[in-house]
Amino acid sequence: DAKTTQPNSMESNEEEPVHLPCNHSTISGTDYIHWYRQLPSQGPEYVIHGLTSNVNNRMASLAIAEDRKSSTLILHRATLRDAAVYYCILRDVISGNTPLVFGKGTRLSVIA
Amino acid sequence: DTEVTQTPKHLVMGMTNKKSLKCEQHMGHRAMYWYKQKAKKPPELMFVYSYEKLSINESVPSRFSPECPNSSLLNLHLHALQPEDSALYLCASSRQQGSRSTDTQYFGPGTRLTVL
Repeated sequence: DAKTTQPNSMESNEEEPVHLPCNHSTISGTDYIHWYRQLPSQGPEYVIHGLTSNVNNRMASLAIAEDRKSSTLILHRATLRDAAVYYCILRDVISGNTPLVFGKGTRLSVIA
Repeated sequence: DTEVTQTPKHLVMGMTNKKSLKCEQHMGHRAMYWYKQKAKKPPELMFVYSYEKLSINESVPSRFSPECPNSSLLNLHLHALQPEDSALYLCASSRQQGSRSTDTQYFGPGTRLTVL
């Protein structure tokens, strides 16, 4: 899987939007961009994924750059419960269901 | 039900003990995974089972022995561990669709292992 780069940590105020960036300059045409997060004392959980178009679900939005070399996870209104480590992961659709390979992720702190 | 359960939640063992970690899912998933996570580090893949057969072993020492007795259960047998094996052990599962798709992996809460 291609490599991703994320900031080590970010901070947000409660009820403010949060934009978590991810760079993946070596992404291939068949790589999906996945985001997982790990809340304290829990296992990772799926957040969202996309290929080329921007995606929305009940948890977040994913904005993908036109050249696909970067993406941004958007939490529209951060809550204290969103404090977690967020992982941006590339998965190649051609090779099938390769296991998740986690990078260092971004530790998000939310301030009340 | 999208739950992966792991038992025990916590385990303390000596270096000469033999113990087992258990993972269970009832989502009909055919791929199951073991990850190891040290404090403040990302999870690292250890083993992958696909249709109850071991498909990936990430060069894990033989003191860790995985077992998949059926499609719902995954065990990790531990023997003669070292203190540096202390970590959070995470189990995950996914549907195992064919290629040209990417399954969501569902994780359990983990077993926190301390080796004395």
